[in-house]
Amino acid sequence: EVQLVESGGGLLQPGGSLRLSCAASGFTFSNYWMHWVRQAPGKGLVWVSRIYIDGSRTRTTYADSVKGRFTISRDNAKNMLYLQMNSLRAEDTAVYYCARYYLGMDVWGQGTTVTVSS
Amino acid sequence: QSVLTQPPSASGTPGQRVTISCFGSSSNMGSHTVNWYQHLPGTAPKLLIYLDNQRPSGVPDRFSGSRSGTSASLAISGLQSEDEADYYCEAWDDSLNAMIFGGGTKLTVL
Repeated sequence: EVQLVESGGGLLQPGGSLRLSCAASGFTFSNYWMHWVRQAPGKGLVWVSRIYIDGSRTRTTYADSVKGRFTISRDNAKNMLYLQMNSLRAEDTAVYYCARYYLGMDVWGQGTTVTVSS
Repeated sequence: QSVLTQPPSASGTPGQRVTISCFGSSSNMGSHTVNWYQHLPGTAPKLLIYLDNQRPSGVPDRFSGSRSGTSASLAISGLQSEDEADYYCEAWDDSLNAMIFGGGTKLTVL
């Protein structure tokens, strides 16, 4: 079964750091772009970042709102996707989804919740 | 304010046909294809339409998509109660060098 499972969410104070993980199974993970998308409470879906490893080159892109604070990475040998989040702000509070991209985000995880509050 | 503009809400009665619009610009929908997603609260979003008008396997043919210039639309025919959800358009934007979602449209089945 093709599946993505996120973990690592939690409650933390502004300025803190957190690393989200996304475990992939049921497909050849290395063949796909992988994305993070978030949804703040009562708001819509917002794209966060994407990553692909093309040979020896790692290609990453970020939304302006997280550039310089978040780092996306992956371990193709372990079928894992990560999102390192630093200097967290209250506005980063959201459910974070990982998603596989092939012509569209065709596989999504169930999400993990990050709450940034003092 | 999202770069892709959708109406915040739409509604219809069972059996009716409803369309949801998505307006963009030359840097996104004018240059790239559009995808549509269905999202029910508390669940994972679901890809409904990709490459403007293609349905993934398992998506009923009641759902259809189209794109013309810098606008796109999602049509749902034979509306059913289980179609009540939030719907999002998505496209790549060359100016932002980022993927973008529309603000979402909440569909209510009356």
